[in-house]
Amino acid sequence: QVQLQESGPGLVKPSQTLSLTCTVSGGSISSGDYYWSWIRQPPGKGLEWIGYIYYSGSTYYNPSLKSRVTISVDTSKNQFSLKLSSVTAADTAVYYCARERYSRFDPWGQGTLVTVSS
Amino acid sequence: EIVLTQSPGTLSLSPGERATLSCRASQSVSSSYLAWYQQKPGQAPRLLIYGASSRATGIPDRFSGSGSGTDFTLTISRLEPEDFAVYYCQQYGSSPRITFGQGTRLEIK
Repeated sequence: QVQLQESGPGLVKPSQTLSLTCTVSGGSISSGDYYWSWIRQPPGKGLEWIGYIYYSGSTYYNPSLKSRVTISVDTSKNQFSLKLSSVTAADTAVYYCARERYSRFDPWGQGTLVTVSS
Repeated sequence: EIVLTQSPGTLSLSPGERATLSCRASQSVSSSYLAWYQQKPGQAPRLLIYGASSRATGIPDRFSGSGSGTDFTLTISRLEPEDFAVYYCQQYGSSPRITFGQGTRLEIK
C-alpha cells in the first residue's frame, strides 16, 4: 500500500523560498503509471492544485503559480520536492502531496502546515 | 479556466437522511475526469468517486455519483454519523489542468 509523507520547515519568512519534500513508501515513484502532485489548502479554505511531475522529470504547473514553482524528483530516494519562491502570507497553507492517475488523487499525504511569517 | 461551483455551501441533515450535493462546471467536463473527495477536520481529503460515478476502493455503496456535461451530483443514500464532513468535486481538463470546487459542508442538524 503506497503511502506519502510530507516534510519540511513549518515556518518560512516572507520573500524567502518554501521547500518541501514528499517521500513515497510502499511503491516506486519510477513505476511510470502515476504523476506526483502538490496541492495546498489555506486555513479554512478550499483546495488548490499546484502542479505535478512524472518520474522522468516532466512537469506541469498551475499557471497561477507557475512563475514561482519548481517541482523536482529524486528517483533514487523515491522522493519528489516542491519549491515556491518569493512567498507571502497568502502562501500560508497546509501543503499536501498526492499520487495522481487518470485525473484523480489517491492516496494523499497527511499534509504539513507551512506558515509564512517574519 | 473551468470553474466548479458546489451547492449548497452548507447542508444540514440528520443521520439516516439522504444527502444530495451538486457540482456545476462553467464548461463541459468529461465524465471520465470528474472526482469527489471527502475531508474530515485535520485530515487529508479522501477519494470517494472517480469517473463521475465509480466508487473508489473501500468506499461504502451508500455513496454514489452521477451526472455529465456541466452538472454532477454526489448522493449519500442514508447518512451515517461518520459522513458529516466537507466534500469537494474536482475536474481534470483544460488549463489549469486541475481545479476543485469550493466545497460543501455537510453538518449534523
